[in-house]
Amino acid sequence: ELKVEQNPLFLSMQEGKNYTIYCNYSTTSDRLYWYRQDPGKSLESLFVLLSNGAVKQEGRLMASLDTKARLSTLHITAAVHDLSATYFCAVDITSGTYKYIFGTGTRLKVLA
Amino acid sequence: EAQVTQNPRYLITVTGKKLTVTCSQNMNHEYMSWYRQDPGLGLRQIYYSMNVEVTDKGDVPEGYKVSRKEKRNFPLILESPSPNQTSLYFCASSRTSHYNEQFFGPGTRLTVL
Repeated sequence: ELKVEQNPLFLSMQEGKNYTIYCNYSTTSDRLYWYRQDPGKSLESLFVLLSNGAVKQEGRLMASLDTKARLSTLHITAAVHDLSATYFCAVDITSGTYKYIFGTGTRLKVLA
Repeated sequence: EAQVTQNPRYLITVTGKKLTVTCSQNMNHEYMSWYRQDPGLGLRQIYYSMNVEVTDKGDVPEGYKVSRKEKRNFPLILESPSPNQTSLYFCASSRTSHYNEQFFGPGTRLTVL
């Protein structure tokens, strides 16, 4: 069964702290996506990781991809309240099918 | 403004009453897709379309139909809705290039009584 697993599912952290969200996937895929969803809102794209070893950074968020381990991480540096949201990773099943499997999401709450 | 629009945004209906949720994008994207979001399950893909007249099943297609007669539109049809289709639905679109991040619509919250 094709699976994308995120952990933790819930994360409550203090402002200023660092933490990492993990995304493991069971299928072969060279493309991994991270999305953010604010409460009651739609999803917006954060990162697209296209190859093994890819690293992308935007502000306090950094995403990386290890296709051999089938693992992506989203690292949060010095968290601020504005980062409170649900974060989803998703993989694009290869062979050009454009069929996507999403993780269940990590709900992040940053406490002041 | 580049966007994906969905209508209606909220819908309460009864079991068995056919309904259509429309989705339209103005970015000339080839790829469009429908997802449902349920608590604890993340997003699950219902159907997707690589281009006009080309559609394929996602993970949870049962009870849904789609059509892609024009590039910009990708309606989701529930012929006979049931309570287990109560959910939050998102439409998304993207290019079919290698770097194909998806752009999501605002969502449609559907309740089937």
